[in-house]
Parts: sequence; structure tokens; C-alpha cells
Amino acid sequence: EVQLVESGGGLVQPGGSLRLSCAVSGFSVSSNYMSWVRQAPGKGLEWVSIIYSGDDRYYADSVKGRFTVSRHNSKNTLYLQMNSLRTEDTAIYYCARGSQEPDYWGQGTLVTVSS
Amino acid sequence: DIQMTQSPSSLSPSVGDSVTITCRASQSINIYLNWFQQKPGKAPKLLISGASNLRSGVPSRFSGSGSGTDFTLTVSSLQPEDFATYYCQQSYSTPYTFGQGTKLEIK
Repeated sequence: EVQLVESGGGLVQPGGSLRLSCAVSGFSVSSNYMSWVRQAPGKGLEWVSIIYSGDDRYYADSVKGRFTVSRHNSKNTLYLQMNSLRTEDTAIYYCARGSQEPDYWGQGTLVTVSS
Repeated sequence: DIQMTQSPSSLSPSVGDSVTITCRASQSINIYLNWFQQKPGKAPKLLISGASNLRSGVPSRFSGSGSGTDFTLTVSSLQPEDFATYYCQQSYSTPYTFGQGTKLEIK
């Protein structure tokens, strides 16, 4: 059974850092494209980042230079390192399998950036 | 970046009605268009990819069409479980932008 479970969200002050994790079962993160998508409270979906199986990575302009996507193949886990957090980064963060057709999603983890 | 514009932003149909949601891209995206359904407190669910390919397990009352810049999602004979928010997303070029969403509320 395919499962994605995000963790690592929480309350952080502006300028702070957080690392989100997405633990995967039922498939391998090393051989799949993986995505991060976020949703601010009461708002729509925003694409954040993609990591390809060959380690190419792409980011939304809003997070470029502050966020880094990576994976740990032996732990079968995807990560999103978030630095220099801003209040506008407050959102539920979802990981998903796939890039152009994200078919399996986690339940999301809430990140709140506030002083 | 490619902008995706959905209309309408909300609809209030009745159970049994058919509805059509439109999505327009700011430039041609061929058929690289996904449709998602999201219910409150839940992750998005991929319904249609490649503009018209129904994903496994999705009821046949959902259908998608279009190419280039103009796309539609049609839900025929609405069921109570179909009342949700729907998003289009282009997967032609990064950033893979979403439309702003269309909320279906029971009339």
C-alpha cells in the first residue's frame, strides 16, 4: 500500500528554520519524482518544489534560495529544508509522488510562521 | 510563469445536476493539464491527467476535455460526495501552477 506521511511542521518565528519530512512506503523515493505543494489557510494550492530521480530540482520563485528539497534513499524519505521563513510561508505542506501527474499525496503538515 | 484562470470561483448546483468548470492557461500547454478534487481537511485527489485521462477509481461521471489554452471539467449527475473544491494545474513547465479553485456548494 502506498503511504506518504509528512512530519516536522510547527510554530516558528520569522527568520527561523524548519525541516519537513515525508516518510514513504509502498514505493521508492529514489526512483520517483517527488513534489511539495502548500496551501495557506483558507487559500488555494501552490506548487513549491520538485526533485527528479536524477537529482534535478526546481523551486517556485517564492521559495527559491530559501528552501531545499532532498531525499534519503535508504530511509525512503523526502525532505524540505526551509530557511529564512516568512509569515507568508504559513501553510499546510503536502508531499506527493510524481511531478507532472502527482497521484499519491500525504495528509499534510502545518507550518505556522509567527512571532 | 504560466497563469491558470478558473471559472467560476463557486457554484451552487443541486444533486443530479451537471456542472462544467473551465480553466484557461495564459499560453498553450498542449494537454498538460490536471484536475484535482479537494474536500475540507483532506489532501487533493488527482481526478484527471493529460486533460482527459480519467484516473483509476474515479467515477465516469467526471470528464475532462480541451487542449492548448482552454480546458473543461464536467461532472454529470452530481452526487453528494462531489461537493468539494476543484483545481486545475498545468504540468507543461515549472512552476506547475494551479488555478485558484472552484467550490461546489450544495444548493
